[in-house]
Amino acid sequence: DQQVKQNSPSLSVQEGRISILNCDYTNSMFDYFLWYKKYPAEGPTFLISISSIKDKNEDGRFTVFLNKSAKHLSLHIVPSQPGDSAVYFCAALTQGGSEKLVFGKGTKLTVNP
Amino acid sequence: NAGVMQNPRHLVRRRGQEARLRCSPMKGHSHVYWYRQLPEEGLKFMVYLQKENIIDESGMPKERFSAEFPKEGPSILRIQQVVRGDSAAYFCASSPYGQGGGTQYFGPGTRLTVL
Repeated sequence: DQQVKQNSPSLSVQEGRISILNCDYTNSMFDYFLWYKKYPAEGPTFLISISSIKDKNEDGRFTVFLNKSAKHLSLHIVPSQPGDSAVYFCAALTQGGSEKLVFGKGTKLTVNP
Repeated sequence: NAGVMQNPRHLVRRRGQEARLRCSPMKGHSHVYWYRQLPEEGLKFMVYLQKENIIDESGMPKERFSAEFPKEGPSILRIQQVVRGDSAAYFCASSPYGQGGGTQYFGPGTRLTVL
């Protein structure tokens, strides 16, 4: 029973273009969403987050969009750089509880020079 | 300003042995979370602890696994009588806030291999 789904295991884009990573969730109790980036043999690194009271959050080249009615969020990276090549995990939590993160399976992004 | 520290980074155990994984949270963080990542999977929550308290252990297997976060020293995840299925990457995360929001910051992980 996967509550957070990343349906694309991999994505390949050209340097300088936009990367769009998608995430769907099923649990309507989730009210805070995070994206983490992970390199091999390292721990996840926090990238950007969004609260359910917002529909967009931007930080430099990274923007997260949240569509609550569709239970869908996406991460946009513009422009993509080769150093962005990594596995990206979407995670969700319910604030006020134990705040355990529920992760998707990840999407491997490859940015080609 | 050190981040979350985990040791050892790699641990090899034979079936039936015990594995002890340690986690030191970021300075000023009093909330610790343990997650496990199996190959080709996302991270799965195991346990959430504050100093001397287990807050949520709903993700912990019922047997052989235990966790603690003593008043002094690192958090410890202990796996007794390891089996091959315990082979995974174990990540610790810390947060300054716990309830009410607060990004979790992850350590580099301990990769456990059970022979």
